[in-house]
Amino acid sequence: DAKTTQPNSMESNEEEPVHLPCNHSTISGTDYIHWYRQLPSQGPEYVIHGLTSNVNNRMASLAIAEDRKSSTLILHRATLRDAAVYYCILPDYNTDKLIFGTGTRLQVFP
Amino acid sequence: GAGVSQTPSNKVTEKGKYVELRCDPISGHTALYWYRQSLGQGPEFLIYFQGTGAADDSGLPNDRFFAVRPEGSVSTLKIQRTERGDSAVYLCASSIPPFGELFFGEGSRLTVL
Repeated sequence: DAKTTQPNSMESNEEEPVHLPCNHSTISGTDYIHWYRQLPSQGPEYVIHGLTSNVNNRMASLAIAEDRKSSTLILHRATLRDAAVYYCILPDYNTDKLIFGTGTRLQVFP
Repeated sequence: GAGVSQTPSNKVTEKGKYVELRCDPISGHTALYWYRQSLGQGPEFLIYFQGTGAADDSGLPNDRFFAVRPEGSVSTLKIQRTERGDSAVYLCASSIPPFGELFFGEGSRLTVL
């Protein structure tokens, strides 16, 4: 599985935008980029995914570099509920198996 | 509810005992995954089922761990001769591959004394 690299932690103030980076320099042409997040005491939840183009949904936006070696998850206005560990993952092509790293722990301050 | 259901939510056992953890996936989801998560770590893959068969069990740490999914729906993770190092949150997820979003349950917290 292709590996990803994320900062261990980031901080934000409430209602400010947050940009969570992820490096995946060994990504292959068929690898999708998925983001999941894990709120305290809960299982991970899907946030967003993309292949080449930037993607938007109700939770976040995903900006993918032109060479696909990095991507950025964008939370447009952080809320206290967005405090979580965010995982950037390249799922196994055939099985959708997710291999989690340690992710980025996002703290949001009021 | 319509989500992935895991029971029990908490299990405390003694070293050497046998434990079963149950996962009810979302109806119609053919793929089922087991993970375990230790404090401060990301979830660690254990095993993946496609239908009734274990398509990938490369994450099972040793032969004390076993999982079944006899009818392609509910799955049971079985741990024999539990050790203190088995203490963790065991997470189950289901999806419709390929390229499916994984839906996770809230996990079963296992504590081995």
